Formats: sequence, C-alpha cells, structure tokens
Amino acid sequence: QVQLVQSGAEVKKPGASVKVSCKASGYTFTGYYMHWVRQAPGQGLEWLGWIYPNSGDTNYAQKFQGRVTLTRDTSIGTAYMELSRLRSDDTAVYYCARDGVTGGAFDYWGQGTLVTVSS
Amino acid sequence: QSVLTQPPSASGTPGQRVTISCSGSSSNIGSNTVNWYQQFPGTAPRLLIHSNNQRPSGVPDRFSGSKSGTSASLAISGLQSEDEADYYCASWDDSLNDYVFGTGTKVTVL
Repeated sequence: QVQLVQSGAEVKKPGASVKVSCKASGYTFTGYYMHWVRQAPGQGLEWLGWIYPNSGDTNYAQKFQGRVTLTRDTSIGTAYMELSRLRSDDTAVYYCARDGVTGGAFDYWGQGTLVTVSS
Repeated sequence: QSVLTQPPSASGTPGQRVTISCSGSSSNIGSNTVNWYQQFPGTAPRLLIHSNNQRPSGVPDRFSGSKSGTSASLAISGLQSEDEADYYCASWDDSLNDYVFGTGTKVTVL
C-alpha cells in the first residue's frame, strides 16, 4: 500500500533552516509528482511547491521563491523540503502529498511534520 | 490570503443536503479543474473529489462536485455525523503559476 512517512517534529530558531523528509513506499517513486503543503495552527492549507522525482524538476510557490528548496533521493525513494530564513510565522505542520492524477489531486499524504520556530 | 473564497461555515441536520461554494476567477477555476479535500482535526487532508466531479475509490457517493464558470460546489447529501470536518477546494492558478486552496469551510452536523 502507498505510504508517505515524514520525519519528526522540529524546533528551530528564527533565521535558521529546516529540512523535512518524506519517505515513499508502495509505488514507483519516480512516476508521480510530489507536492508540499503547510498548515499554520488554526489556519488553512498553503501550497509550497512540487518536485518531479524522475527528473528533479521543481516549481515553487511565488511566496516561497528563494526560501524553499525541494530535492529528492531516488535511491531511497525520499523527497525533502528545506525552508530557510525561518520566521515565527513559518510555524506550521508541513505535509508531503503525492499527485496521483496530475492537476493537483493529492491522493496520498504524509502524516505531517510540525515545525516550530521560536526564539 | 487565498484567491478561492469559501463560506467559513455550513451546517445541517443528519440526512439533510449541505452545499459548499468555492468562488474563484478565470485564471484558476475558470481554466482548470477543481479538487476538494476533507480534513479532520489533527489529521492530514483527504482527497474527496478530483477533476471537478470525480470521486476516488472509497469516497461515499453522497459526496458530489460540480463546476460552472469560475465557481465550484461540493454537495453532501444525506449528511452524517462523521461528515463533520473542514472542507477545502483547490485549483491551479495560471496567473500566479501556483496551486491555490480555498479559505476552507467548517461543516457542523447539528
């Protein structure tokens, strides 16, 4: 069965960077786009970008251009999201999600990783 | 702030039909398909409807989606207590070149 398992919670100071991993299993990792979405406490969903694991091509949300970097390691079926120059309003749960249909239909999601930014 | 607008809340009694609207523009809903997600507190979202009106396997047929022009709707017929959750619409936006989510609607079963 398809599973996306993310790394554990992180606490970071303002100005630092965080890197979250998302290990995929149960399907061909290189065959599907992987997206990243975040949700601040009590807020809605916000898209960060996608990576196509087969080629490594990426596309980032305008808001996060220059601060977010998506990478992947196809040898271990894992995608990564790195966010730099963290601010307190980056405190959120970060999700990876597989695009199963193309067109933004995220059919499988990771369990989420809480990133807390606090001095 | 999101470019897709939803009502903050909707409610109904068990068995009723509830409809959630999602208003966008020509650059998003008007030119791309709409997806809907259901989210329970403390859990990851779940894909409920894709490609405007397609239900993934396992989604009950009381959930249905539609799109007209620059707006979309999610209908829940035969509302059940387990449908109490947050619902989000989403679509690509060609002007922003971003994937955008709606503001979210909390459905309460009275």
